[in-house]
Amino acid sequence: DIQMTQSPSSLSASVGDRVTITCRASQSISSYLNWYQQKPGKAPKLLIYAASSLQSGVPSRFSGSGSGTDFTLTISSLQPEDFATYYCQQSYSTNTFGPGTKVDIK
Amino acid sequence: QVTLKESGPVLVKPTETLTLTCTVSGFSLSNARMGVSWIRQPPGKALEWLAHIFSNDEKSYSTSLKSRLTISKDTSKSQVVLTMTNMDPVDTATYYCARAFRGPTIWFDPWGQGTLVTVSS
Repeated sequence: DIQMTQSPSSLSASVGDRVTITCRASQSISSYLNWYQQKPGKAPKLLIYAASSLQSGVPSRFSGSGSGTDFTLTISSLQPEDFATYYCQQSYSTNTFGPGTKVDIK
Repeated sequence: QVTLKESGPVLVKPTETLTLTCTVSGFSLSNARMGVSWIRQPPGKALEWLAHIFSNDEKSYSTSLKSRLTISKDTSKSQVVLTMTNMDPVDTATYYCARAFRGPTIWFDPWGQGTLVTVSS
């Protein structure tokens, strides 16, 4: 099975900061990588699919990049509503989620 | 508007079988590019993908839980059913269903609100 790791596991940031979250796969997954945002008590929401495509309705401050084994999610200017936990998910071989990265207020 | 809603028991006993139903609206389970996945999340923990089913009845299961899971669909009722046998307290989690979209990758959007299932005697 393909294992996914994320770093950092948590981070503290301020409104307006640029935030980068990394996701790594245990083997190459091409661009079969998606990103989700989850707020407490809510279902996850799709942000990015196929590594770098922005889901309709998602603000352009979110962007994704990478291919193979290493991927990043970047928030260009953190907004108050962005404090949440972020998960990556691979669909190259069945499906696996990363352990999550919690972004909280500094 | 696409919506999904999970239903099922809130409490099951150890060793029992869990049956969850996902009722969808706003899309058809006969659409070639769309299916339904089940994903769970234990309290305070990460998401875990369980299974998915597509219109051609293609099914896929989590490797670690495959022996305990069965997914099926009733297209006429717009419902997808997941059964999980031999429930254990470690299976306590919020269970979500989500539309699985087959594009360049398979992604999950949107998700249902989730249903919390507690396993306890």
